[in-house]
Amino acid sequence: RKEVEQDPGPFNVPEGATVAFNCTYSNSASQSFFWYRQDCRKEPKLLMSVYSSGNEDGRFTAQLNRASQYISLLIRDSKLSDSATYLCVVISSGSARQLTFGSGTQLTVLP
Amino acid sequence: DADVTQTPRNRITKTGKRIMLECSQTKGHDRMYWYRQDPGLGLRLIYYSFDVKDINKGEISDGYSVSRQAQAKFSLSLESAIPNQTALYFCATSDPGARALAYNEQFFGPGTRLTVL
Repeated sequence: RKEVEQDPGPFNVPEGATVAFNCTYSNSASQSFFWYRQDCRKEPKLLMSVYSSGNEDGRFTAQLNRASQYISLLIRDSKLSDSATYLCVVISSGSARQLTFGSGTQLTVLP
Repeated sequence: DADVTQTPRNRITKTGKRIMLECSQTKGHDRMYWYRQDPGLGLRLIYYSFDVKDINKGEISDGYSVSRQAQAKFSLSLESAIPNQTALYFCATSDPGARALAYNEQFFGPGTRLTVL
């Protein structure tokens, strides 16, 4: 079983739609959680951190469920510019604090 | 100018050749990383370095070596390239600063697309 699993999609949604992605992680000792965004053939960039209490940044809302070991990303009022691959990232405990990446969920927002 | 640069951006080589991918950064970060990305597998860590004297193997270090020539430079070598090393390679940096987010965020270079024939 992969340490971090995501539905690869693709998710094709119309502009203005609300779309949600889930990500599950297997290591219960995982401490920190993030969503990164990767445009086609570009480098990943941090989108937002995921806090235990949930957090929102404009149209984006991230949630963490430690009991079920999953995190989610909700995008409201989708824009064409939201089209990208969204990577779930988990940091486990330990001195190395290495990032473990999910394989990504591809989103295409259609006009 | 980009904060994290990688050279070359694209490379096609033959099996058995030695290849070096270079990464430079102007962010002043101590920590540098090399990842490879394959379709359906996400990014996987090859090597990481917390400072010039500290080099560590990642998840998939076999067949690779690294050199941290200076704080700003971290090179990845494939001593004898093989076709299954065909992938997109990313260098990244991070800074264990005072803020939690700064500690965890990684900044990626634009990537090197390597094809081994």
